[in-house]
Amino acid sequence: GESVGLHLPTLSVQEGDNSIINCAYSNSASDYFIWYKQESGKGPQFIIDIRSNMDKRQGQRVTVLLNKTVKHLSLQIAATQPGDSAVYFCAERGISNFGNEKLTFGTGTRLTIIP
Amino acid sequence: DSGVTQTPKHLITATGQRVTLRCSPRSGDLSVYWYQQSLDQGLQFLIQYYNGEERAKGNILERFSAQQFPDLHSELNLSSLELGDSALYFCASSVTGGAGEDEQFFGPGTRLTVL
Repeated sequence: GESVGLHLPTLSVQEGDNSIINCAYSNSASDYFIWYKQESGKGPQFIIDIRSNMDKRQGQRVTVLLNKTVKHLSLQIAATQPGDSAVYFCAERGISNFGNEKLTFGTGTRLTIIP
Repeated sequence: DSGVTQTPKHLITATGQRVTLRCSPRSGDLSVYWYQQSLDQGLQFLIQYYNGEERAKGNILERFSAQQFPDLHSELNLSSLELGDSALYFCASSVTGGAGEDEQFFGPGTRLTVL
């Protein structure tokens, strides 16, 4: 499996700098959000999640911020490393047309770390 | 390595044909999810099975079907293939059946090319 060559928004960051990746979600009723990382040749990998009753959550070198007022989610990566180069997707949990819970993924952002 | 395996890695076929994609979840995971990642649609949820039964459905075409077997492996069947079905197909698995809070582990994907 490899990353699909989508015409994605791109972000280039110097190694060691911080990066911020943004995502706008569509459903104001979504109650749970996840950030995934997809490296070339691999499937998406869970990075960090956040519930709608929180506005910030921190992990190792990553922080997710949630602004429900404007339906905006961001992923901050501190002290970026070459291994951070990947496509990053946000996903929201909502209700499908069939009445069940499902994850809806954003289109993704391609992050490139410049050595 | 996520522990989720998918076969085959690549598949090339012609329009009108039928193919079967196979997924083995992580040991102990009861849920299997199928996703399609195409150039113009990004990552789209297709269907979820939990312990052998259909649990959730996304915008899966009627030409597509899936099943989960007693040993918990899953197959995605794609029939009457069209050029637009060319995509990466990912399988993910999780311990239980929650679409969001139960972390999904993705396989490496199957790249389907319809000629």
